[in-house]
Amino acid sequence: AQTIHQWPVAEIKAVGSPLSLGCTIKGKSSPNLYWYWQATGGTLQQLFYSITVGQVESVVQLNLSASRPKDDQFILSTEKLLLSHSGFYLCAWSNGGASYEQYFGPGTRLTVL
Amino acid sequence: QQKVQQSPESLIVPEGGMASLNCTSSDRNVDYFWWYRQHSGKSPKMLMSIFSNGEKEEGRFTVHLNKASLHTSLHIRDSQPSDSALYLCAARYGSSGNKLIFGIGTLLSVKP
Repeated sequence: AQTIHQWPVAEIKAVGSPLSLGCTIKGKSSPNLYWYWQATGGTLQQLFYSITVGQVESVVQLNLSASRPKDDQFILSTEKLLLSHSGFYLCAWSNGGASYEQYFGPGTRLTVL
Repeated sequence: QQKVQQSPESLIVPEGGMASLNCTSSDRNVDYFWWYRQHSGKSPKMLMSIFSNGEKEEGRFTVHLNKASLHTSLHIRDSQPSDSALYLCAARYGSSGNKLIFGIGTLLSVKP
């Protein structure tokens, strides 16, 4: 069975500080990986997706970047946090190819002060 | 711009009652719908998907799709307090590849 792990569980950061969030999936080779952001009371917004190592597509510009250094790892980062970055960050995976069902990790709660 | 609209925004049903949630796409190019459930503070869990006209049932959950009206609905019978959650509808559009568009959700509260 596939398991998806996100770290950290929660983070409180200052405006202007850097950020790195991670996501690892086990039990699945060559998954499609996604980053989503959910503002408090808001809907889920897809930020990035990756279909293979080293390849990341940006969906929404939020002064964030993403990388996929390994087949099972997806990283979300920024050099400088904004207040508007606060929210719930979710990593998701789907089977490669034409399967579109996406399964979410447990998420990281980010508070920017 | 592709949008997914959900109604109602919130819904209160008594325990044992029927909850009916709606979702409509703004773009005719939609080819898949999903329903997710998100308990407070947790990540969304997929409930059901539908891409063909008609109805699909899994336990207490039934999903309908009417492609002509770009509308899907989720019905929960014999609602339980544990069903209290945010229900999110997501759509995939033929031109969008791996991108899912989510609605803002319906907040369901089941009262004992």
